[in-house]
Amino acid sequence: GQNIDQPTEMTATEGAIVQINCTYQTSGFNGLFWYQQHAGEAPTFLSYNVLDGLEEKGRFSSFLSRSKGYSYLLLKELQMKDSASYLCAVNGGFKTIFGAGTRLFVKA
Amino acid sequence: EAGVAQSPRYKIIEKRQSVAFWCNPISGHATLYWYQQILGQGPKLLIQFQNNGVVDDSQLPKDRFSAERLKGVDSTLKIQPAKLEDSAVYLCASSSPRIATYEQYFGPGTRLTVT
Repeated sequence: GQNIDQPTEMTATEGAIVQINCTYQTSGFNGLFWYQQHAGEAPTFLSYNVLDGLEEKGRFSSFLSRSKGYSYLLLKELQMKDSASYLCAVNGGFKTIFGAGTRLFVKA
Repeated sequence: EAGVAQSPRYKIIEKRQSVAFWCNPISGHATLYWYQQILGQGPKLLIQFQNNGVVDDSQLPKDRFSAERLKGVDSTLKIQPAKLEDSAVYLCASSSPRIATYEQYFGPGTRLTVT
């Protein structure tokens, strides 16, 4: 079957670094996405990984290991506005499958 | 560039009634998706169109849900009759193969409450 696992909730402190993990099992792989979703809003694109390694974009970085079926999203210098759900999604062919999301709470 | 438009933003109906949602994707985006997102869960793909053809509708409850994209641009999703478990946010998204990251652009969603 196809499955994406990520932690349900995480809490971190403003200014700190947090790593959100994602493991996946899909029948195919054309790339892995991270989306941010604030409460009551639509998801917005953060990153896309298709090759192994780390992709850095400002305060956000995303890592992929295809052999391990594993990715993480790294958020540095956390700000209060980073409190949101972070969705891991895998394109396994024609279809993109989303995980349930990790709710991140940033506290002062 | 205008984003993905959806209407209505909110809808409250009684069970067994019917409801329709409308989506207008970003201009030029050939691929259009309808997702159902239940509170606390990730988006679940209901149907994916490539232009006006269906690519995937394996998770669409076809006994009550229907969708069309007749001219390959805007799309409607209909539920008839609605059940309590259909209460969710219905998200429309679009994408284009010309975008290297294949990211999907989401509309604001329609929040459906079935009572």
